[in-house]
Amino acid sequence: DIQMTQSPSSLSASLGDTITITCRASQSISGYLNWYQQRPGEAPTLLIFSSSGLRDGVPSRFSGSGSGTDFTLTISSLHPEDFATYYCQQSYNTRWTFGQGTKVEIK
Amino acid sequence: EMQLVESGGGLIQPGGSLRLSCAASGFTVSSSYMSWVRQAPGKGLEWLSVIYSDGTTFYADSVKGRFTISRDTSNNKIYLQMNTLRAEDTAVYSCARGETFQYPPGEAFGIWGQGTLVTVSS
Repeated sequence: DIQMTQSPSSLSASLGDTITITCRASQSISGYLNWYQQRPGEAPTLLIFSSSGLRDGVPSRFSGSGSGTDFTLTISSLHPEDFATYYCQQSYNTRWTFGQGTKVEIK
Repeated sequence: EMQLVESGGGLIQPGGSLRLSCAASGFTVSSSYMSWVRQAPGKGLEWLSVIYSDGTTFYADSVKGRFTISRDTSNNKIYLQMNTLRAEDTAVYSCARGETFQYPPGEAFGIWGQGTLVTVSS
């Protein structure tokens, strides 16, 4: 199975900050990388599909990039509702796998 | 509005069996690919299984041979039959609807249910 490794595991940031989360795949997955947000007690929601595609209705302060094995999720100007856990997920093959998650906390 | 609602979770002894249900509304499960994903307490997401519109199924190694995904098109539901349950299967189990995107091309889980808690303990 393809292993997905996110860094950092957690980070503290302030409202208005710009943050970047990275995700590395154990092998090349082309651009087949998705990002999800999960707030406490809620189901995950899709933010970014296929590395850089912004899901309809997702604010433009969320952006993704990367290809091959290295990917990033950037959140510009953090809003209160952005404090959550973020997961990357590869859809390169049918055995989808997720990263371990990155918890974004308020500083 | 597309929605998924899981049910069937509960407390089960190690070695026991349980069947989870996922009721879909706003779309038909037979025209989508559907997955089960679980999240152990305080842990991350783990994909378990998928059923495609043609009925093809795939499983994660951790549940292959013990779990079976199926669907009932007349009731617009999917199921996860879980056998030989272990303590490490304790988790919230969620179903998710897969979506296929054209540009950029790819697949992702666009709709998720809230999940149902399965606790495996004696």
